[in-house]
Amino acid sequence: DQQVKQNSPSLSVQEGRISILNCDYTNSMFDYFLWYKKYPAEGPTFLISISSIKDKNEDGRFTVFLNKSAKHLSLHIVPSQPGDSAVYFCAARGGADGLTFGKGTHLIIQP
Amino acid sequence: EAGVAQSPRYKIIEKRQSVAFWCNPISGHATLYWYQQILGQGPKLLIQFQNNGVVDDSQLPKDRFSAERLKGVDSTLKIQPAKLEDSAVYLCASSLVLYEQFFGPGTRLTVL
Repeated sequence: DQQVKQNSPSLSVQEGRISILNCDYTNSMFDYFLWYKKYPAEGPTFLISISSIKDKNEDGRFTVFLNKSAKHLSLHIVPSQPGDSAVYFCAARGGADGLTFGKGTHLIIQP
Repeated sequence: EAGVAQSPRYKIIEKRQSVAFWCNPISGHATLYWYQQILGQGPKLLIQFQNNGVVDDSQLPKDRFSAERLKGVDSTLKIQPAKLEDSAVYLCASSLVLYEQFFGPGTRLTVL
């Protein structure tokens, strides 16, 4: 039973345009959500997070939106750059600090 | 600031053999995690330590997997005996309480 779902295995976006990555969750006990970026042969790198008491958090080109009623969050990257090509994981935390991850979305930025 | 260190980076063993992975977290981080990432999946938490005590090991297959964190710093994860389905990347992460987790580069295990 997947508690964190990323339904798009891959996404292709033109350089300079907006990338929108989506994530859905089922567990109402999750209180903190994070996005990680992963390059091949490296561990995931923290990107941005949001508490369940907020609906938006922004950090430079990255913005995360949380819709609690829909149990949905999204990561917006504007503008998209070639270095953004990577696998992006949505993760959620509830109770203890261990994270529950989605399967990831492979973002490809095309020139 | 030095990151999370893991070794070895790659390991190939035959089924029924034993294997051990080592992790050195970021200095001062009290919480340490081991995750298993199977190809095409997201990381799955195996065990979480707070200092040298276990906080959560509910998803650790305890019949073959074991982990320890002596003196609340370094940690080792062991698999004995290994099965084909244990082929995965084993990720170690550390964090200050309630902050984001920092991951090491992982150990890629192949069981033949």
